[in-house]
Amino acid sequence: EAQVTQNPRYLITVTGKKLTVTCSQNMNHEYMSWYRQDPGLGLRQIYYSMNVEVTDKGDVPEGYKVSRKEKRNFPLILESPSPNQTSLYFCASSFNGLNTEAFFGQGTRLTVV
Amino acid sequence: AQKITQTQPGMFVQEKEAVTLDCTYDTSDPSYGLFWYKQPSSGEMIFLIYQGSYDQQNATEGRYSLNFQKARKSANLVISASQLGDSAMYFCAMREGSTDKLIFGTGTRLQVFP
Repeated sequence: EAQVTQNPRYLITVTGKKLTVTCSQNMNHEYMSWYRQDPGLGLRQIYYSMNVEVTDKGDVPEGYKVSRKEKRNFPLILESPSPNQTSLYFCASSFNGLNTEAFFGQGTRLTVV
Repeated sequence: AQKITQTQPGMFVQEKEAVTLDCTYDTSDPSYGLFWYKQPSSGEMIFLIYQGSYDQQNATEGRYSLNFQKARKSANLVISASQLGDSAMYFCAMREGSTDKLIFGTGTRLQVFP
């Protein structure tokens, strides 16, 4: 089954404790991206990647890191999480190109206390 | 700069009626794609419909149609014959040809009542 898999689905952590949210897709998509969803602000792009070893900042990259060592995986790293990073996070992937829909993971609800 | 605006935070519609959700966009790239996604209360993102900037006709997918007015830079979603299951958050999104970056609006919450 074609899918984007994020883990974990739910996470509660403490300020400053490094964490990684994994994202994997099995559709051989070139494009992958991370978004955070906050009430009233919609989905804001954190980072995106056009292909292996190619990553770029989105609109809200501060406090996050990503890597794209393999085509299928695009982990999101929070080196020192803070409470303002409490949010719902989505990973998405698609083929490159204008008319290609993005497929989304199920979301990760992160709470930083 | 690339931007998507959804001015309706919430909308109500009676079952079986049609409803229009507004979306305007801003881009200087002549080549772009417009998307609508649905997010039910369960949280997943569901792709609904796509419109390309060079498409001559408005896109349709079942009960969903996209009212594309290029000169006005608007891409409104029309849902015909609303159903209770259409109650959800709806997001408009755009991808530019020059960057391939996909950005979203702030969303509209649609409530369908009997």
